[in-house]
Amino acid sequence: DSGVTQTPKHLITATGQRVTLRCSPRSGDLSVYWYQQSLDQGLQFLIQYYNGEERAKGNILERFSAQQFPDLHSELNLSSLELGDSALYFCASSVQGAGETQYFGPGTRLLVL
Amino acid sequence: GENVEQHPSTLSVQEGDSAVIKCTYSDSASNYFPWYKQELGKRPQLIIDIRSNVGEKKDQRIAVTLNKTAKHFSLHITETQPEDSAVYFCAAYFWGSNYQLIWGAGTKLIIKP
Repeated sequence: DSGVTQTPKHLITATGQRVTLRCSPRSGDLSVYWYQQSLDQGLQFLIQYYNGEERAKGNILERFSAQQFPDLHSELNLSSLELGDSALYFCASSVQGAGETQYFGPGTRLLVL
Repeated sequence: GENVEQHPSTLSVQEGDSAVIKCTYSDSASNYFPWYKQELGKRPQLIIDIRSNVGEKKDQRIAVTLNKTAKHFSLHITETQPEDSAVYFCAAYFWGSNYQLIWGAGTKLIIKP
């Protein structure tokens, strides 16, 4: 167990809908990262937050947004969902967010029908 | 831009033999190189990492070597066992790229009994 928690574990929804994925980092970690992993694909970095502020942006679609709250938990919002958004979404956390180990949560499996 | 290339994409070895996975990176300023293992349906987990001031690091059957001149680093697994079957990801931290960890595409390691 990495200490990073993600909810929900599974999510099934329809095209056009909006969902929110939640992540709680390890105690003491200030940085949160979101990744998307489609079936048999690599890890696509979406976005990173550090102590409540956006630090880095990857290949995140405009339909997706995220934020990190004062208690350091983070939420990833996915809207106008398409079939191709079906994937495993991982959250990871690290202490500072620069050149250090990232600890991954168990992931949220999203299925868009 | 910053890039990490990982080879091979699939590697099949006989149980007990050694496996080597290689990654090359584009930015000579990179200084942190982790390796993650992802078992089927699970989260990626750090198995070993190396910093640019070190040429080699070992942890039991796993070792990582770094060649800064050639800008490549490799994962070596000796005496492979069935539980080594997984997807392995390399990554490199680029200081100049907005604090991003750039990931390789992954190597699927298959251990044949």
